[in-house]
Amino acid sequence: NAGVTQTPKFQVLKTGQSMTLQCAQDMNHNSMYWYRQDPGMGLRLIYYSASEGTTDKGEVPNGYNVSRLNKREFSLRLESAAPSQTSVYFCASSAIRIYEQYFGPGTRLTVT
Amino acid sequence: DQQVKQNSPSLSVQEGRISILNCDYTNSMFDYFLWYKKYPAEGPTFLISISSIKDKNEDGRFTVFLNKSAKHLSLHIVPSQPGDSAVYFCAASVSNNLFFGTGTRLTVIP
Repeated sequence: NAGVTQTPKFQVLKTGQSMTLQCAQDMNHNSMYWYRQDPGMGLRLIYYSASEGTTDKGEVPNGYNVSRLNKREFSLRLESAAPSQTSVYFCASSAIRIYEQYFGPGTRLTVT
Repeated sequence: DQQVKQNSPSLSVQEGRISILNCDYTNSMFDYFLWYKKYPAEGPTFLISISSIKDKNEDGRFTVFLNKSAKHLSLHIVPSQPGDSAVYFCAASVSNNLFFGTGTRLTVIP
C-alpha cells in the first residue's frame, strides 16, 4: 500500500516548456487535489477533483490544467511554464471528509 | 490575502515540556480546523481536527483548542518529544477548499 505517489520528484524546465506531473493513489479515495507550496505562502489549492470525471478550480488555477484519468490518477499539466511556477507541488487524496487528506511526497519544480 | 495565519515561523521547546502552536483565521465560514505535520522531503500528514461547533479535541498527546470569538486555534503537545520536531501547518476548510497557514517549525531539544 503505497498511499499517494508522485512523479517526478524533481524537474527543471525552461520558460515556455510544457510538462505533466503525475499522481496516483491506491486508497480508493474519491477526491484528489493539487497544491503548490511557496516560501512564506503555505500550501495553496490549484485544482481538485471531488470524484472521477469532475474537476474544479481552487485558489490559484491560472496556468494549469488537470485531468482525472480514472479514480486512481490525477495529473497536473503546465502548458507553457513560467518562472512564477517554480514551486513544490503536492498531490493529495481524501475519502469523504475533505480535511483528512493524504499527501504525496511532492515534486520540486524549477522553471528557469 | 491569507485567511489562515501562523505568526510564529519557529518555536523551540525542551523535551518533556509543553509545545503550544498558534493560528489565527479571518473567515467566519470555516467549518473545520485542523493541523498537519510535515517532515523534510515528505508530504504533510494529518494530525488532528476540530469542528467549528466544538472548542476542544484531544488525541493522546495532542489537543486542539478553538476560540471562535477570537478566531484563534492552538495545538498543544504534551509532553513534547524530539520526534515531534517538524513543520506544523494549521488549516481550515470551507466549500470544498482547504486553506493553509504558512507553518511553524517546531524544534524539540533533547
